[in-house]
Amino acid sequence: GENVEQHPSTLSVQEGDSAVIKCTYSDSASNYFPWYKQELGKRPQLIIDIRSNVGEKKDQRIAVTLNKTAKHFSLHITETQPEDSAVYFCAEEAGSYQLTFGKGTKLSVIP
Amino acid sequence: NAGVTQTPKFRVLKTGQSMTLLCAQDMNHEYMYWYRQDPGMGLRLIHYSVGEGTTAKGEVPDGYNVSRLKKQNFLLGLESAAPSQTSVYFCASTQTSPFYNEQFFGPGTRLTVL
Repeated sequence: GENVEQHPSTLSVQEGDSAVIKCTYSDSASNYFPWYKQELGKRPQLIIDIRSNVGEKKDQRIAVTLNKTAKHFSLHITETQPEDSAVYFCAEEAGSYQLTFGKGTKLSVIP
Repeated sequence: NAGVTQTPKFRVLKTGQSMTLLCAQDMNHEYMYWYRQDPGMGLRLIHYSVGEGTTAKGEVPDGYNVSRLKKQNFLLGLESAAPSQTSVYFCASTQTSPFYNEQFFGPGTRLTVL
């Protein structure tokens, strides 16, 4: 079955530095890779996603890269701010509208 | 639009009791999902529905039942609650489009089983 490994489980960075979270997947049929942000006590919300026909996508300070050959994708946050502190989840979908989530990364941005 | 709503927000049950969690969405989405979230485990799919009158098992379906009698509602039932079902439960929905897959989540239900 589908499996998504997410690393690291916790990440602390100084405000203004960059943060990178990596995920690997096993299903070669996976074609959609979203990232969700969950603030403490809140619901997960989509922040960026990428499809398998694209290698990179950017949205202001957030970017996602995808390497289909190696079956991994990464979230990059530049110029981190305290409000970026949250738990981030990667996920993958293999065409059935079902997402398999990673176990999450708790990002702490230290002012 | 309210988006995805869940009822109740919190609940405490005793072992063996039953309850139903209600999820409602006003976005006319076809697909709906129930997840549970436990510390360090991410979001795990319990059951899902691809349309009114349909349900299917996800990754962790044991101990739960679901029903989708109306397109906008998806109910999650616990017939005999166990302490292992203490968790935060999230409902989500999505429209079925090859170009748009975002799942919209409800605010969650925090369930404690004593």
